[in-house]
Amino acid sequence: EVQLVESGGGLVQPGGSLRLSCAASGFTFSSYDMHWVRQATGKGLEWVSAIGTAGDPYYPGSVKGRFTISRENAKNSLYLQMNSLRAGDTAVYYCARGRYCSSTSCYGGWFDPWGQGTLVTVSS
Amino acid sequence: DIQMTQSPSSLSASVGDRVTITCQASQDISNYLNWYQQKPGKAPKLLIYDASNLETGVPSRFSGSGSGTDFTFTISSLQPEDIATYYCQQYDNPLYTFGQGTKLEIK
Repeated sequence: EVQLVESGGGLVQPGGSLRLSCAASGFTFSSYDMHWVRQATGKGLEWVSAIGTAGDPYYPGSVKGRFTISRENAKNSLYLQMNSLRAGDTAVYYCARGRYCSSTSCYGGWFDPWGQGTLVTVSS
Repeated sequence: DIQMTQSPSSLSASVGDRVTITCQASQDISNYLNWYQQKPGKAPKLLIYDASNLETGVPSRFSGSGSGTDFTFTISSLQPEDIATYYCQQYDNPLYTFGQGTKLEIK
């Protein structure tokens, strides 16, 4: 069974840092792009970051320069280092599997499956 | 960046009704458009990928269509278990954006 399990959420003060982890199982982790998507309470979904199979990271403008995505294929693990946190970063953070990449090409652009999410609260 | 405009933001319908949600992209995205269902307190679930392809195990009452900038998601006969919020999502690798969501309620 394909499974993603996030951890590392919690309460942090504005300006602080937090590192999220996502443990993957049931599929060849190294062959997939991976993503973080967040959702503030009562709000919509916001894509936060992606990392390709070669370790290439991508971010939207809202978190670029503050968040760092990384992966450790040997441990089937995805990470999100979040620095300079603001109240607006308060949300449930989901990890999600993205594109499948073979040695020659990549396929897809959807998120499936998703983890259960981990709550990050930025407050003094 | 590509913006997605999803409408309506909320919708009330009766069991058995045909329900339609639309999503418009700010520029041509070919068929790179996906649809998700999210029930309260749960993670989103992929229903439709690449505009019109039904994910394995998803009931056939769900369907999607469109290409370019205009897309439609349809539930042919609304069931009580379909109460959820629905999101469209585009991919213009390596960037991704979601629509604002449509909250579907039973009348």
